[in-house]
Amino acid sequence: DAGVIQSPRHEVTEMGQEVTLRCKPISGHNSLFWYRQTMMRGLELLIYFNNNVPIDDSGMPEDRFSAKMPNASFSTLKIQPSEPRDSAVYFCASTLNTGTGSDEQFFGPGTRLTVL
Amino acid sequence: QQQVKQSPQSLIVQKGGISIINCAYENTAFDYFPWYQQFPGKGPALLIAIRPDVSEKKEGRFTISFNKSAKQFSLHIMDSQPGDSATYFCAASPGGYNKLIFGAGTRLAVHP
Repeated sequence: DAGVIQSPRHEVTEMGQEVTLRCKPISGHNSLFWYRQTMMRGLELLIYFNNNVPIDDSGMPEDRFSAKMPNASFSTLKIQPSEPRDSAVYFCASTLNTGTGSDEQFFGPGTRLTVL
Repeated sequence: QQQVKQSPQSLIVQKGGISIINCAYENTAFDYFPWYQQFPGKGPALLIAIRPDVSEKKEGRFTISFNKSAKQFSLHIMDSQPGDSATYFCAASPGGYNKLIFGAGTRLAVHP
């Protein structure tokens, strides 16, 4: 299995530009999570989906952030317009939700975003 | 509001020593407590996890101790090795959709 795939691995953009991060979860998994990691705030859960439906987006910092999951094998996190404070490593993770609440999350390698 | 408090922020241990990382939580609805390990440039990976119905879980050199009444849990790494040098995150979940709340992380360095 290839694991969770994220693209791009690195993104450098200028303030005001639109940024789209992509994620392909592990085949067969039905839950997908987007996290942001910074030195100051650690690992923050932004949004998660179950069976392609957004369940909780309370971690999304503001309206500039949006996420979609059009099908079970693809999700995007979009930032429009981007700001320097959005610079961080963004992780996607997936799991097979069995309803036990103790399912392992598998993380992708992350996308390092730098907004100049 | 920081729901999971982790300490120390960084830890230096000599090879062969014991590494201990502590976490505390407030929300009594949490019922799953995993530890994740992260190497530089990589995503976090599950190391070991525990449910509150047991007080201890051991997997190889890694042990979780859980104190439900104190709402605390800790990770012990026995015979620490340089290859254990990484950042360790405790987390807690209220169950259901596997939503994880992470601690701030502990950067562990094991010196040879």
